[in-house]
Amino acid sequence: QSVLTQPPSVSAAPGQKVTISCSGSISNIGNNYVSWYRLLPGTAPTLVIYENDKRPSGISDRFSGSKSDTTVTLGISGLQTGDEAEYFCGTWDSSLSAGVFGGGTKLTV
Amino acid sequence: QVQLIQSGAEVKKPGSSVKVSCKSSGYTFTDFSLHWVRRAPGQGLEWVAWINSKNGRANYAQKFQGRVTLTRDTSVTTAYMELSRLRSDDTAIYYCARDRRYYASGNYEYWGQGTLVNVSS
Repeated sequence: QSVLTQPPSVSAAPGQKVTISCSGSISNIGNNYVSWYRLLPGTAPTLVIYENDKRPSGISDRFSGSKSDTTVTLGISGLQTGDEAEYFCGTWDSSLSAGVFGGGTKLTV
Repeated sequence: QVQLIQSGAEVKKPGSSVKVSCKSSGYTFTDFSLHWVRRAPGQGLEWVAWINSKNGRANYAQKFQGRVTLTRDTSVTTAYMELSRLRSDDTAIYYCARDRRYYASGNYEYWGQGTLVNVSS
């Protein structure tokens, strides 16, 4: 059972926009920055959003992040088949003094 | 460019130990904390532990307390994770990940390529 809650799967057609939510509590999302990671089979995770809403260099501006209270949301617009992957949210939990992740969301385009 | 290069895959017997290394380059090693995260087959990401690269202090997830030890050698900019009393459910890909801060922020900017640890009798 993951500390952060994500939907197991989302799907949308090419060109559309999809959002993936990640819910937590005051001790994690509420008081700490959140990152989003993309996982493809056989490869290491790739950071796509950090500090809730910032994009690393090299990440398309089709990726966006937002936060409201204890929920963060990853948005991907102009969907491409290459965006198909598993996406995880992660942050620090100040009560647990531990890193925490969501269970992951499988995106199908 | 920043790189984290991990040691190769390991096959271990239950009850034994494994030590995985993570060689860092492309940045000042002591300026950022390093974490270890694993992914077991069919599971999500699981945080294992982190180490302050400057002073060497480590903190571990409660689940792994007493079985995992993190160390680092600043002379070779390498971090190590040793997991003992291995069980079959420790079979996973273990990643090292560099935090964006010197403290544990939970935001991992760079990741190693992963090390498969297969625990099997």
